[in-house]
Amino acid sequence: GAGVSQSPRYKVAKRGQDVALRCDPISGHVSLFWYQQALGQGPEFLTYFQNEAQLDKSGLPSDRFFAERPEGSVSTLKIQRTQQEDSAVYLCASSLRDAGGSNQPQHFGDGTRLSIL
Amino acid sequence: GDSVTQMEGPVTLSEEAFLTINCTYTATGYPSLFWYVQYPGEGLQLLLKATKADDKGSNKGFEATYRKETTSFHLEKGSVQVSDSAVYFCALRSGYSTLTFGKGTMLLVSP
Repeated sequence: GAGVSQSPRYKVAKRGQDVALRCDPISGHVSLFWYQQALGQGPEFLTYFQNEAQLDKSGLPSDRFFAERPEGSVSTLKIQRTQQEDSAVYLCASSLRDAGGSNQPQHFGDGTRLSIL
Repeated sequence: GDSVTQMEGPVTLSEEAFLTINCTYTATGYPSLFWYVQYPGEGLQLLLKATKADDKGSNKGFEATYRKETTSFHLEKGSVQVSDSAVYFCALRSGYSTLTFGKGTMLLVSP
């Protein structure tokens, strides 16, 4: 497709369950980002991939959060043993890199709204 | 660390009114600055950007000027429309990639 695609759009899980959120970036976009957006707040950075390499995971809030991008395209964000505080919208973004190695503006998907009961 | 502060909303205006949403930032070095817009149920869309001091970003009637001396990037539009109702996020990017966002400002425009 033309844009960043995320699935599912909505996910409800019981506390303690594991969840997996998928992101399909724009074709050819080298860089991929995950953000967490709590209700009424701005997005907060979770992790960054350049191709298949996870170059920055400093924003992951705990070791229950894990992200991968094994073939440098689709990415999955996994949350193990979910807690109520994990309830948020999870946004994925992708971007090109220019000839100088700088990232171009990020294009965002519509997000996955995760609710933990 | 880097941070972005936006005026709290909601901002409520009548159609054709003038809009200003204030944004100030704290960052090391020389960040790039962005405004993103989020319509209900959708992801963020880039509205405009500026990459260096005194640059003016503009798009769809919106403008913002990168003011290094006041560390500000205020969003303005001369005449808002009902369709402009959304949440607006100011953001900066320093270093390689990651964006730091403000908390967002909701704009409500009535006919």
